[in-house]
Amino acid sequence: EIVLTQSPATLSLSPGERATLSCRASQSVSSNLAWYQQKPGQAPRLLIYDASNRATGIPARFSGSGSGTDFTLTINSLEPEDFAVYYCQQRRNWPITFGQGTRLEIK
Amino acid sequence: EVQLLESGGGLVQPGGSLRLSCAGSGFIFSTYGMSWVRQAPGKGPEWVSALSASGTATYYGDSVKGRFTISRDNSKNTLYLQMNSLRAEDTAVYFCAKARITHDSSDFPDQWGQGTLVTVSP
Repeated sequence: EIVLTQSPATLSLSPGERATLSCRASQSVSSNLAWYQQKPGQAPRLLIYDASNRATGIPARFSGSGSGTDFTLTINSLEPEDFAVYYCQQRRNWPITFGQGTRLEIK
Repeated sequence: EVQLLESGGGLVQPGGSLRLSCAGSGFIFSTYGMSWVRQAPGKGPEWVSALSASGTATYYGDSVKGRFTISRDNSKNTLYLQMNSLRAEDTAVYFCAKARITHDSSDFPDQWGQGTLVTVSP
């Protein structure tokens, strides 16, 4: 099973700042990685697929990069609605796995 | 508009069974792989099972293999999850999710239902 490790566990920033979230895989997942945003009481929302492609309707301030084992989600100029929990997920191998999440909180 | 509506959750005793349903609309259900993903209280998501568009290929997480069965009825635009031998650790919100592209059951889900809560407790 591929283990995804996200860091940091919690990130405290202010609106307008840039957020950089990391996801590291225990073995190469090529570019088969996605990022999701989840707010309390809601389902996860797909932000980025195949490491760097924005999903439909996702604002341009969200961007993804990386390949192999190291991936980054960058959120430029944080908006109030961006404060949430973010998960990475790989589909390179079954079973499909998620990271443990990064909580982005308002400083 | 794509909609996924889960039902069938509830309280069940350990060792019991439950069947979840997910009704899809707003897309050609028979052409998309579908999945069940669960989330225990305060935890991250966990992939439970996936099923190909045709229903012929199935995938299960190790924690549910041999106990859960995923299926679909494309004539009813409905996905199912039969859960047997339930354990306390199966307690979670169960989401159904639609793959982003057609005919790829492992593709990243781009649409999710609102979830249905399953509680396994004496």
